[in-house]
Amino acid sequence: NAGVTQTPKFQVLKTGQSMTLQCAQDMNHNSMYWYRQDPGMGLRLIYYSASEGTTDKGEVPNGYNVSRLNKREFSLRLESAAPSQTSVYFCASSSGGYSHSGNTIYFGEGSWLTVV
Amino acid sequence: KQEVTQIPAALSVPEGENLVLNCSFTDSAIYNLQWFRQDPGKGLTSLLLIQSSQREQTSGRLNASLDKSSGRSTLYIAASQPGDSATYLCAQIGAGNNRKLIWGLGTSLAVNP
Repeated sequence: NAGVTQTPKFQVLKTGQSMTLQCAQDMNHNSMYWYRQDPGMGLRLIYYSASEGTTDKGEVPNGYNVSRLNKREFSLRLESAAPSQTSVYFCASSSGGYSHSGNTIYFGEGSWLTVV
Repeated sequence: KQEVTQIPAALSVPEGENLVLNCSFTDSAIYNLQWFRQDPGKGLTSLLLIQSSQREQTSGRLNASLDKSSGRSTLYIAASQPGDSATYLCAQIGAGNNRKLIWGLGTSLAVNP
């Protein structure tokens, strides 16, 4: 049971470099999400996708882009990394829409990103 | 502004103790509330989901209650074990048109053998 798989688990970037975080789920879920988690700030939604072909901004979208490649995959791209983007990134999915109408949310194990 | 507060931020108890984790929310028009567990270096795992029409949910040694009138939810852990050591987060979904998840910062629990 893979669930939600995200790669890479660890990455160090230099300021200005770009990279893509990959996420895939094997539960046939419609909705997928990217969160970042920072000490004292909790979990904050970056982008979400309610269905294949659609994406919407969350609370902290600046500096990020996303692609819902197909129903399984949802990638997060940092075009020009900044030290403020040092964080732990979590991908998640659920069967329902962003209203999470009672649906359980499944999380990946996280990607630790450091921008120096 | 909708907020979710978890107190205490950290808790250390001896093995076998029954304990209660608290979650307070400001939006009384709640849609549902969920409790999650996060182990160090891992993602979040959903533990219990309580719909606004429910008062409590139970799973094994875990019991979550919801009191909308007071804006509180509690997670009760019976007969705690060292394996329960983790961070516990609650998240609320408001009943408005923008049904987004509002997260607490979590309670870090250590159960000592």
